[in-house]
Amino acid sequence: DAKTTQPPSMDCAEGRAANLPCNHSTISGNEYVYWYRQIHSQGPQYIIHGLKNNETNEMASLIITEDRKSSTLILPHATLRDTAVYYCNLLYYGGSQGNLIFGKGTKLSVKP
Amino acid sequence: EPEVTQTPSHQVTQMGQEVILRCVPISNHLYFYWYRQILGQKVEFLVSFYNNEISEKSEIFDDQFSVERPDGSNFTLKIRSTKLEDSAMYFCASSEQDIYNGSPLHFGNGTRLTVT
Repeated sequence: DAKTTQPPSMDCAEGRAANLPCNHSTISGNEYVYWYRQIHSQGPQYIIHGLKNNETNEMASLIITEDRKSSTLILPHATLRDTAVYYCNLLYYGGSQGNLIFGKGTKLSVKP
Repeated sequence: EPEVTQTPSHQVTQMGQEVILRCVPISNHLYFYWYRQILGQKVEFLVSFYNNEISEKSEIFDDQFSVERPDGSNFTLKIRSTKLEDSAMYFCASSEQDIYNGSPLHFGNGTRLTVT
């Protein structure tokens, strides 16, 4: 299985941009990178995903390096409600259907 | 915005009892999943389901577990004889297409199962 590496924790000041890095050096050519977050014990919440190009939606931006070995999730103006564990996920594909593999993620603390 | 709903939010059961956890996936989604999270640990994949059959299952998903889509809307996880170590949050998820093709999973808010 391809694996991801994320820092265990990060702090960010409220209103500032939060930049969360992820290394995925073993990613395969057609494999998407998915980002999710988990607030307290709620279900994982989908944020964004990308393949090769940078992506942006109403929640965040995703920057993927040209060699696709790493990516950065950017929350442009972090709020206290963005405090959560952020997961950079790759897929396990057993041949019939893909599924997400969760690592330990980065615990982001947004401070006033 | 459509969402995945799970019931009950909390289930307490005695060891050895059978439990059924229920999920209503998003209506136009075709792919279904169960994950679990033991307190303080990672979210773990249990099983994926498509076209009325299991596509993939993890080592955790042993003979005590089964899944079913009894009608056009519900997706259930049954644990036949619960053990203390089955205590966890169980998350249901669904996706419109195979996630391998860029279709994200959408998760419910989980059922907290407590086995006493």
